[in-house]
Amino acid sequence: QQPVQSPQAVILREGEDAVINCSSSKALYSVHWYRQKHGEAPVFLMILLKGGEQKGHDKISASFNEKKQQSSLYLTASQLSYSGTYFCGTERTAAGNKLTFGGGTRVLVKP
Amino acid sequence: DSGVTQTPKHLITATGQRVTLRCSPRSGDLSVYWYQQSLDQGLQFLIQYYNGEERAKGNILERFSAQQFPDLHSELNLSSLELGDSALYFCASSPLISGGNEQFFGPGTRLTVL
Repeated sequence: QQPVQSPQAVILREGEDAVINCSSSKALYSVHWYRQKHGEAPVFLMILLKGGEQKGHDKISASFNEKKQQSSLYLTASQLSYSGTYFCGTERTAAGNKLTFGGGTRVLVKP
Repeated sequence: DSGVTQTPKHLITATGQRVTLRCSPRSGDLSVYWYQQSLDQGLQFLIQYYNGEERAKGNILERFSAQQFPDLHSELNLSSLELGDSALYFCASSPLISGGNEQFFGPGTRLTVL
């Protein structure tokens, strides 16, 4: 079942902060975050695993609430390069079979 | 550059035709995933191969098939193409079979069916 992302879109000024949420109705093993520029490949940002482990870039901040099956990605002091569509992808097991992606959140950072 | 290569970059064809999309994973990656991204459906998982064997199937139509060869490159075959098959097709690779590992996405093949 597809995770639900919110908001669907957000417009920021450079330097402002934003939070993107990803919610699942099913128990998750991990949540992956990707950023995609128009027409390009998704670029890996971070993985959050059940149990608290995180893997990803130091400049990206995210959290995973296992009780609520919700993950949040924090865009802090946004830069123009943060513009793009952010996708969360979820895994329900440790089998490594596939990612089920949310519908995406479009982020536009303006000067 | 993720290290995953896909060819061709663009493909324009007509309804009813058959096409083959090719993916070469990162060196050493045994797992290959195929995803379809269309405007109305978002990123959808199609199929996964691990070391030559099919591991998992998602929303893949019967008109579509895939395989992974001994050199680990993979091909996605799309036949009896319909207008609705127009989309970006991404291949991703991962070194491990277990979950919680990054998938590295290739640049994609943009398929246009006229």
